[in-house]
Amino acid sequence: EADIYQTPRYLVIGTGKKITLECSQTMGHDKMYWYQQDPGMELHLIHYSYGVNSTEKGDLSSESTVSRIRTEHFPLTLESARPSHTSQYLCASSEYGGTDQETQYFGPGTRLLVL
Amino acid sequence: AQSVTQLDSHVSVSEGTPVLLRCNYSSSYSPSLFWYVQHPNKGLQLLLKYTSAATLVKGINGFEAEFKKSETSFHLTKPSAHMSDAAEYFCVVSDTAAGNKLTFGGGTRVLVKP
Repeated sequence: EADIYQTPRYLVIGTGKKITLECSQTMGHDKMYWYQQDPGMELHLIHYSYGVNSTEKGDLSSESTVSRIRTEHFPLTLESARPSHTSQYLCASSEYGGTDQETQYFGPGTRLLVL
Repeated sequence: AQSVTQLDSHVSVSEGTPVLLRCNYSSSYSPSLFWYVQHPNKGLQLLLKYTSAATLVKGINGFEAEFKKSETSFHLTKPSAHMSDAAEYFCVVSDTAAGNKLTFGGGTRVLVKP
């Protein structure tokens, strides 16, 4: 069982609100990722980080932003939520340069509904 | 560029019968390949992975997958399905040339009938 946590698990919020989705891991992994998954669809990478103070945009364009001030913490923020942001957001982490560097471990996800 | 194709979007099996989930990939170099499972309202759980060692990979819950380079395939099998196997399964490729980024297949939803 991977030690990666996401809060909240479910969030219903009105248009225009600012939200932050939390992700934390206790495995000491350097690399962390955010994926977006629409119902019944594959995952798309929206952000990733190689370590503290490193953030990169993923393959899918997203209006969200991320920060990496601490190794274990990788929050995702939407400054002004819109209905088009309704989706599931999955956080993951992996080692960097270790023997298991390719394996990503996923959190349980946050289901976001913007009304 | 790497890509993954899961050939069946839905698979329906009876409990106790074999399960086969098909996956084909394309990758520039020697890829790492994974199968993840996602149960309803849950995150993704790693079932198994191939990283250039043995071509037949055994995973959790009785699943296994065989890497066939000549066919660019990584099909997932289980000899006897259990009701708890009902879930969505994702075939995933990772390539060092792509910075170890994961590329996901479209997913296969497995239904297990009693």
